[in-house]
Amino acid sequence: EVQLVESGGGLVQPGRSVRLSCVASGFKFDDYVMHWVRQAPGKGLECVSSITPRSDKVGYADSVRGRFTISRDNAKRSLYLQMSSLRAEDTALYYCVKDAPKGSIDHWGQGTLVTVSS
Amino acid sequence: VMTQSPLSLSVTLGQPASISCRSSQSLVYSDGNIYLNWFQQRPGQSPRRLIYQISKRDSGVPDRFSGSGSGSDFTLKISRVEAEDVGLYYCLQGGLWPYTFGQGTRLEIK
Repeated sequence: EVQLVESGGGLVQPGRSVRLSCVASGFKFDDYVMHWVRQAPGKGLECVSSITPRSDKVGYADSVRGRFTISRDNAKRSLYLQMSSLRAEDTALYYCVKDAPKGSIDHWGQGTLVTVSS
Repeated sequence: VMTQSPLSLSVTLGQPASISCRSSQSLVYSDGNIYLNWFQQRPGQSPRRLIYQISKRDSGVPDRFSGSGSGSDFTLKISRVEAEDVGLYYCLQGGLWPYTFGQGTRLEIK
């Protein structure tokens, strides 16, 4: 069974940094693209960052480019999101998401909540 | 940009429902395929994929859910709405990074 378990969320002051982690199990982690998708309270879904299996390609939404950095450690079956210069509008539930063949997503974690507030 | 309509839908139990998803540009990818997906998010839960590649239903998804469309115009249909269908529905294009979702459509029971 595929499992994705996020951690690292919490209350953070504007302008500060936080690092999210996701531990994966139940599939061959180093074969798959991985994503971070966020959902602001009462709002829709936004794919904020993606990374290929060997980390040779990364991508970011315009809203976070230059402030967030995605990375992974295949040996630890872990995905990370380093979030810097945080803003109130970054407040959201952040999901770790597994890519699926043919341009899709097939598994989601339960999410970790990041609240940016003074 | 993925645009869904309507943004809210109130349907009587047993009646059909239809959600539209339109892309600002054609979703035909360089390999000739279209990577259009539909997700359901029940209250308090993570999203769950229903449909991929326009019309392929995931295992365990009731056959009352169906997807159709081409080019830049796609539709999710529920033939007979049941109480467990309440929630948010999102389309997703997976052909280009970053993947982009529609704004979401809220389905409620009338």
